[in-house]
Amino acid sequence: GAGVSQSPSNKVTEKGKDVELRCDPISGHTALYWYRQRLGQGLEFLIYFQGNSAPDKSGLPSDRFSAERTGESVSTLTIQRTQQEDSAVYLCASSSRGSGRTYEQYFGPGTRLTVT
Amino acid sequence: SQQGEEDPQALSIQEGENATMNCSYKTSINNLQWYRQNSGRGLVHLILIRSNEREKHSGRLRVTLDTSKKSSSLLITASRAADTASYFCATDRASNTGKLIFGQGTTLQVKP
Repeated sequence: GAGVSQSPSNKVTEKGKDVELRCDPISGHTALYWYRQRLGQGLEFLIYFQGNSAPDKSGLPSDRFSAERTGESVSTLTIQRTQQEDSAVYLCASSSRGSGRTYEQYFGPGTRLTVT
Repeated sequence: SQQGEEDPQALSIQEGENATMNCSYKTSINNLQWYRQNSGRGLVHLILIRSNEREKHSGRLRVTLDTSKKSSSLLITASRAADTASYFCATDRASNTGKLIFGQGTTLQVKP
């Protein structure tokens, strides 16, 4: 079926406001990832969910960032009290995983966040 | 910190020429993957090469892996203007945390 979808595609918010970004992974993919990409830069890992295991939050830049995932489906990334440096494209990816190996990731189109 | 480092950071060639991008990494890996990104949006997976493989082909793409040097290269032959994009390598570490570590990318411009 469908690929990874993300919403909204663009979000403009005022500094200090909270934002919530959504990701719908490919059905059946147990692994889900969030990345941040600032303009002209590479991907910065944020958080990783794998099945029912505790998420790997090692990439979250501050406690203003949090993410949840419901089972093996939708995930939301929440940024509280947004700052201008949070402006970036937030990319979600999902992947199947088995036999202790990591396979290719399928990316959504991203959410472009602009904090004014 | 990023695992992979690509070079060059930017590459500009004429249509029909070959483009070579390199990636170096620091720790042992299970596999290395190359991705393409157009216009700063979602990445598209191009090719995956496992640690026990040395070379892999897919259409006009050729990837090599040298685990002794901890490096990989992506060759695009007979480039087209449509190949203009950013290309990223990503590594799946042997410690198998389950996540990929992406490099900073190479921006390729193919001039018609």
